[in-house]
Amino acid sequence: EIVLTQSPATLSLSPGEGATLSCRASESVSGYLAWYQQKPGQAPRLLIHDTSNRATGIPARFSGSGSGTDFTLTISSLEPEDFAVYYCHQRATWPLTFGGGTKVEIQ
Amino acid sequence: EVQLLESGGGLVQPGGSLRLSCAASGFTFSVYAMSWVRQAPGKGLEWVAAIGGGADVKHYLDSVKGRFTISRDISKNTLYLQMNNLRVEDTAFYYCAMSLRGYGDYGAWGPGTLVAVSS
Repeated sequence: EIVLTQSPATLSLSPGEGATLSCRASESVSGYLAWYQQKPGQAPRLLIHDTSNRATGIPARFSGSGSGTDFTLTISSLEPEDFAVYYCHQRATWPLTFGGGTKVEIQ
Repeated sequence: EVQLLESGGGLVQPGGSLRLSCAASGFTFSVYAMSWVRQAPGKGLEWVAAIGGGADVKHYLDSVKGRFTISRDISKNTLYLQMNNLRVEDTAFYYCAMSLRGYGDYGAWGPGTLVAVSS
């Protein structure tokens, strides 16, 4: 099983600041890494697929990068609606797995 | 517009059974792989089971193998999860999710249904 480790667990920032979220895989995921955003009481929403491709309707302030085992989600300038929990997810091998999440909270 | 709507959750005793349903609309149901993903209250996401568009390929999380069965009825545009021999640790919100490419990359999710396993 590929274990995805996200860091930090919590990120305390102010609107307008940039955010950098990390996801490290226990082995290569061959670029099949996605990022989701989840707000309280809601289902997750796909932000990024295959490392760096924004999903339909996702603002340009969200970007993904990385390769092999190390991946990053960057939010260039936080909007009030971006404060949420973010999960990475790999679809390279079975079982599909998710990281433990990073909570981006308002400082 | 793609829409997914789960039903069938509820409170059940350990060892009991439930069948979850997910009604799909707004897309060609037979084309896309589908999955069930769960989330224990206050915890992270956990993939549970996946099924190919043609229902010929199925994969399960080890901890549910032999207890859960994923299936789909293309004529009814509905995804199912039959859950038998439920355990307390199966307590979670269960989401159905549509894969945009291959398996994973879930571009659409239902609102979820709560399964609570307790005596």
